[in-house]
Amino acid sequence: KAGVTQTPRYLIKTRGQQVTLSCSPISGHRSVSWYQQTPGQGLQFLFEYFSETQRNKGNFPGRFSGRQFSNSRSEMNVSTLELGDSALYLCASNLQGASGYTFGSGTRLTVV
Amino acid sequence: GESVGLHLPTLSVQEGDNSIINCAYSNSASDYFIWYKQESGKGPQFIIDIRSNMDKRQGQRVTVLLNKTVKHLSLQIAATQPGDSAVYFCAENMDSSYKLIFGSGTRLLVRP
Repeated sequence: KAGVTQTPRYLIKTRGQQVTLSCSPISGHRSVSWYQQTPGQGLQFLFEYFSETQRNKGNFPGRFSGRQFSNSRSEMNVSTLELGDSALYLCASNLQGASGYTFGSGTRLTVV
Repeated sequence: GESVGLHLPTLSVQEGDNSIINCAYSNSASDYFIWYKQESGKGPQFIIDIRSNMDKRQGQRVTVLLNKTVKHLSLQIAATQPGDSAVYFCAENMDSSYKLIFGSGTRLLVRP
């Protein structure tokens, strides 16, 4: 079966711009969560959605937002990009009540 | 490839030897723990998990040990192979939080 699909794979943006990243979870998985990975901070939780509702949010500024659609696909948006937002953004999906979170390959965002 | 962590602790082992990767977790209320493997350019890949009501769980060539008294988790890899070279992360979770908290990671290098 298909895994977690993230698009685009790579992205270069300029400071001040905004960006939208997309994640398609494994079929049947209704929980989608997002993580930011940087060399300095490691893997940090951004937010989690289930049935179009955000159930938890990490400690990130309001410039980071997300949403989930009725088909469980999710998007995250970062507005007014800063150099420090350069990171690998990872999406994970999970089958409620089951073990393990399956990650996608990520979107590498570079802010210049 | 992408740099997962520039200053990660590194474990170097000879091919065929056993590897032990350690992790200290932060929250005594965490009830679910996962080990992930991340190769360059890829997202974290699930290896094995364990719930807090267990002390040990075995998979194929891997064993996870959980010591709740000292909040310590370890991953043992038997007969380490070159393909095991990667960065390994532990993650903790409380079912009610819908998020994973990741450790800082350990880089495993397998010498031929």
